[in-house]
Amino acid sequence: DIVMTQTPLSSPVTLGQPASISCRSSQSLVHSDGNTYLSWLQQRPGQPPRLLIYKISNRISGVPDRFTGSGAGTDFTLKISRVEAEDVGVYYCMQATQSPVTFGGGTKVEIK
Amino acid sequence: QVQLVQSGAEVKKPGDSVKVSCVASGYTFTSYVTHWVRQAPGQRLEWMGWINGVNGNTKYSQKFQGRVTITRDTSATTAYMELRSLRSEDTAVYYCARSLQADYWGQGTLVTVSS
Repeated sequence: DIVMTQTPLSSPVTLGQPASISCRSSQSLVHSDGNTYLSWLQQRPGQPPRLLIYKISNRISGVPDRFTGSGAGTDFTLKISRVEAEDVGVYYCMQATQSPVTFGGGTKVEIK
Repeated sequence: QVQLVQSGAEVKKPGDSVKVSCVASGYTFTSYVTHWVRQAPGQRLEWMGWINGVNGNTKYSQKFQGRVTITRDTSATTAYMELRSLRSEDTAVYYCARSLQADYWGQGTLVTVSS
């Protein structure tokens, strides 16, 4: 199975400041079809996960442009340019390149 | 709009089975994969398996192989996840999600396993 490792576990951030989350996979996430099925999900307290970004860097409609995904191969990053109060929650990376689908352990973004 | 509406919370005893439903609307149900993912209290998301909307083929996580069955009813645009031989460690919120990228999620179904 592909292991997804996220850092940091927790990210206390001042409102308006940036935040960055790293996700590393134990194998390349490049699929044989040429796509990299790496997604970022946000889970606010008490809610189901919500897809923010798919295939490394594609934002879902309605996701603010302060969220940016980047990376390639085995190393990926989610950046929030200016954290807002509504961004509080746990962020997960997810790979769907290879079965079984696997998730990172989550990074908790909280306001300092 | 796309919606995935799951069945309500369940309380089961060890050894029981549970079947959770996920009613899809707002899109062509048979055009997308439906995942089942669970989240135990304080734990990371855990993928259980999926069903291919086009042909009904399924794929399961090795961890749940033999204990889980994912099915669908295309006329009812509903996906189902049945988990058997429940144990206390299966206490979790169970989610369905649409598409390979999991772009839409159900609201979750809490399954509590307790004697």
